[in-house]
Amino acid sequence: GQNIDQPTEMTATEGAIVQINCTYQTSGFNGLFWYQQHAGEAPTFLSYNVLDGLEEKGRFSSFLSRSKGYSYLLLKELQMKDSASYLCAVRPHGEYGNKLVFGAGTILRVKS
Amino acid sequence: EAGVAQSPRYKIIEKRQSVAFWCNPISGHATLYWYQQILGQGPKLLIQFQNNGVVDDSQLPKDRFSAERLKGVDSTLKIQPAKLEDSAVYLCASSSTGSGNTIYFGEGSWLTVV
Repeated sequence: GQNIDQPTEMTATEGAIVQINCTYQTSGFNGLFWYQQHAGEAPTFLSYNVLDGLEEKGRFSSFLSRSKGYSYLLLKELQMKDSASYLCAVRPHGEYGNKLVFGAGTILRVKS
Repeated sequence: EAGVAQSPRYKIIEKRQSVAFWCNPISGHATLYWYQQILGQGPKLLIQFQNNGVVDDSQLPKDRFSAERLKGVDSTLKIQPAKLEDSAVYLCASSSTGSGNTIYFGEGSWLTVV
């Protein structure tokens, strides 16, 4: 089966750093994705990890540990516009194409 | 580059009625997905097409849901008859073929069943 866990909600202050964790148990593993979804909008791609380690992209970084079934998304220099839901998604191994299994999402609220 | 187009954006129907959603993927994307996202949950895959063939429809409630992609480009998702629990956002997405390729989502079709 597939199980992806992430915190339901988080609150952080503008200008701060926040880390959103994701743990997964899947029948296989062939990549982990993070998406951002503003209320009423489509999910938009943030990052992709398939090997262990840190991937940095501007204010956003994503980390993966395959042995621990663990990932986190790090957001630096938080801005009000970062208030959104952050979705962790795993592509199980051996799946044809890019089918993704999503977690329920973490709602991040950025306060001034 | 045009994104994934979906219509209608919003639909309210009574239970037991039918509804159809349309999706046009990004040009050249061979893989098309329909996801269902219930409020407060992550998207759940309903069906995946590769060109005009079905790759995965294991989570599609086939007694009431159907989908087609006859010419391997745009796609239609139909629900008949609708139930209250079908109230959700129906997200269409597409990707090009290959490992690691990003999935791009449309803005979704919001369905309310009353």
